[in-house]
Amino acid sequence: DAGVIQSPRHEVTEMGQEVTLRCKPISGHDYLFWYRQTMMRGLELLIYFNNNVPIDDSGMPEDRFSAKMPNASFSTLKIQPSEPRDSAVYFCATAGASGSEQYFGPGTRLTVT
Amino acid sequence: QKEVEQNSGPLSVPEGAIASLNCTYSDRGSQSFFWYRQYSGKSPELIMFIYSNGDKEDGRFTAQLNKASQYVSLLIRDSQPSDSATYLCALDSSYKLIFGSGTRLLVRP
Repeated sequence: DAGVIQSPRHEVTEMGQEVTLRCKPISGHDYLFWYRQTMMRGLELLIYFNNNVPIDDSGMPEDRFSAKMPNASFSTLKIQPSEPRDSAVYFCATAGASGSEQYFGPGTRLTVT
Repeated sequence: QKEVEQNSGPLSVPEGAIASLNCTYSDRGSQSFFWYRQYSGKSPELIMFIYSNGDKEDGRFTAQLNKASQYVSLLIRDSQPSDSATYLCALDSSYKLIFGSGTRLLVRP
């Protein structure tokens, strides 16, 4: 199994630019989660999907953030416009039917200058 | 607001010793608990989960859950330098994992 795949692994962009992060879940996993990790706030859940449907987006910090899951094999997290305070590591995680045993991708380290 | 508390450490133990990592939580209704290991610059890796009171063993790892006292522990026997990492405790809140801030473990050769 290839595990959760994320791209890009590193992204450096200027304030105001659009950023798109991508995730390919483990095949057969019904749940997909987007997390953000910073030194100050630790690991925070942004949004999660079940069977491609967004279930809880209460962790999305503001309207600049949006996430989609057009099919079972792909999800995106978009930030538009990006700001320096968005700099963090963004993880995608997926889980099977239990929803709880979550497996993380390698993450995308985002730096907004 | 459900919270998960961990001592940030570092917890320093000599190679071969037992490392004991602890976690307390605020929500008495929490049912499922998870331990993740995160090496510096890497993603969290699921190493143990526990749903019932008592102990659960997997190799050198033992998870302990005491719902009455609202704490979860992770014991690592025969600690190795390769166990040096940050250990994150998490609880399940309707499929949302609430993470603690993690305890950094350092195993001295």
